[in-house]
Parts: sequence; C-alpha cells; structure tokens
Amino acid sequence: ETGVTQTPRHLVMGMTNKKSLKCEQHLGHNAMYWYKQSAKKPLELMFVYSLEERVENNSVPSRFSPECPNSSHLFLHLHTLQPEDSALYLCASSPGTDANSPLHFGNGTRLTVT
Amino acid sequence: AQKITQTQPGMFVQEKEAVTLDCTYDTSDQSYGLFWYKQPSSGEMIFLIYQGSYDEQNATEGRYSLNFQKARKSANLVISASQLGDSAMYFCAMVRRYGGATNKLIFGTGTLLAVQP
Repeated sequence: ETGVTQTPRHLVMGMTNKKSLKCEQHLGHNAMYWYKQSAKKPLELMFVYSLEERVENNSVPSRFSPECPNSSHLFLHLHTLQPEDSALYLCASSPGTDANSPLHFGNGTRLTVT
Repeated sequence: AQKITQTQPGMFVQEKEAVTLDCTYDTSDQSYGLFWYKQPSSGEMIFLIYQGSYDEQNATEGRYSLNFQKARKSANLVISASQLGDSAMYFCAMVRRYGGATNKLIFGTGTLLAVQP
C-alpha cells in the first residue's frame, strides 16, 4: 500500500454513539493532520501531530479526541456528536522536516450524524 | 490574520482550452508558501503545485503553472489544454508559519471547474 489510507470511507452514527476514524500513512512521514471539510466552507485544521506529539489543537470541541500511537497511525475518536459535525474528515501527512513540503491527503471519511 | 480568497465558485472551460483559477491571499509574513490542490468527486486532495514567496520564477508542473504576482498578493493557477479529467474542485492554500516543520495550511473555499467536451 502507498500513500495515506483512511477507514471507513463512510460512517453514519447517532448522537449517542462512539466511533473512531482511522488513518494510516505509508510514506515515512513524521507529521499527521486532521482536517474537517464542511459544505461551502474552507477546510478547517483540527489537530496536528509531529512525532506523535500534538502540536496544534484548533479549539476543537472535546467530543473529538485524537490519538497518535506512532508516526504512521492517527485516530479520531468520536462521541456524543451533533448533526453539525456531519462533514468529510480528511487525514494528511507531511515529512515534518520542511514546512514547504506538500501535505499528502487520504480519501477522507464521509461522516453523517443523525 | 492570514486568509485565502477564491472569488470564483464555479468555472466552465472547453476541452483543450486554457483556464485560469483566481487566488488572492493576505499575510503579513515575508516568507510563506502557496499551494494548489485538486479534489475530484472521490474526495482525495491531490497536490498540484507549490510557489515559495522568494521564488523568482513562476512554478510550473506539466500542464499546471502558477501566475505569482507578489505585489498584488495573487497566485492564480493556469491549466493549459484542459482535459475532461480536470473537472474537480480546486483549492488554493497557504502555509501558516509557526516555526517548526509542520505545515498548517489555510485553505480557500475552492473553485469548481467543469470541463466541457
């Protein structure tokens, strides 16, 4: 496998459920990111990890909980979500050695909260 | 605060013609980077081209070129010889500098390009 892989591709969950999004990168990168993409809005940066340490938390509600067990894997744990959290959640990675290197994105998880 | 503005929600272009997608940015930084990404209906964000603020020449990657006008703070994407597969959303982005080596990109709202046969 190559690139950045996200699972599941689609997720429907009720507001009381607990679910997790998974991201795996096979590029040897040291930095990983979660972005939220809502309709007609710019992508919103949620979390940034560098060498498994969280370096950015953009005022994201606590119902979103990230986890980075190693530099290849990133999770987003979800609980008691709201309908407005329905969106495309994109994971990305970058080398982590040069701020001008492009981010490599996965295909995203399309989340629907009912 | 840094900001990216894409004023064209949607664009049409005939196959084999060139098209320009507009992007303006706002930053007080002297050193910054600008990116263009393509997002087809599959959802994946595909990196197209990068321009550094100190690069003297406009970036080019195959059929993609970036018309960088620093004084105007614009970084327009030019796609030459459009193909049907170019139909997608296109996002302009700027790297936000904190120091360190993580790329905290700020994105515009995107332009939906439709290539017509």
